[in-house]
Amino acid sequence: AQKVTQAQTEISVVEKEDVTLDCVYETRDTTYYLFWYKQPPSGELVFLIRRNSFDEQNEISGRYSWNFQKSTSSFNFTITASQVVDSAVYFCALSDFYNFNKFYFGSGTKLNVKP
Amino acid sequence: GAVVSQHPSRVICKSGTSVKIECRSLDFQATTMFWYRQFPKQSLMLMATSNEGSKATYEQGVEKDKFLINHASLTLSTLTVTSAHPEDSSFYICSAREDRASNQPQHFGDGTRLSIL
Repeated sequence: AQKVTQAQTEISVVEKEDVTLDCVYETRDTTYYLFWYKQPPSGELVFLIRRNSFDEQNEISGRYSWNFQKSTSSFNFTITASQVVDSAVYFCALSDFYNFNKFYFGSGTKLNVKP
Repeated sequence: GAVVSQHPSRVICKSGTSVKIECRSLDFQATTMFWYRQFPKQSLMLMATSNEGSKATYEQGVEKDKFLINHASLTLSTLTVTSAHPEDSSFYICSAREDRASNQPQHFGDGTRLSIL
């Protein structure tokens, strides 16, 4: 069955600390996509990254970095030097490769960054 | 970039009222759109897949007579919550899938916060 697990319900850090959000997934498919979205208090979903199952290279975008490891079925997200504006709920999601029809979202991790 | 407009952003109404939520893709065609529901502090759950010109496909446990979906054009899908009751209060988010290849397979609207009194 397709499933995404974000075991960390809520994390609190002080500004400038680094923080890693964990994501573990289960899928029967050999090809698939993984995503991270940010949901600020206003509610909209902000796309952060898409990674396909063929590409295990880590990715860095500014203060954000992602570590995809197929061997452990994990797709973790690290924010370096966190800022108050990073406070939000972060969702990891899994979708099928060919149709993008169904997104399986994790339960989300609420990140609180305190000044 | 591609934008999905969802309207209204917030609705407060009395029990028994029917509420219509619109989801529009502004600069791309979307044969397929999706409706999600999110309860407070919970994840997004797919309710239904909306296909232009055909009947929507509902996920297990979602009442099709309660949540009417109409996808009449390539840029507009509507979700009508019929005879809404307090338990229907939730955050509803739509997404649209671009017909052409894209880095983002689904673009999400900003959501509609529905409160039934």
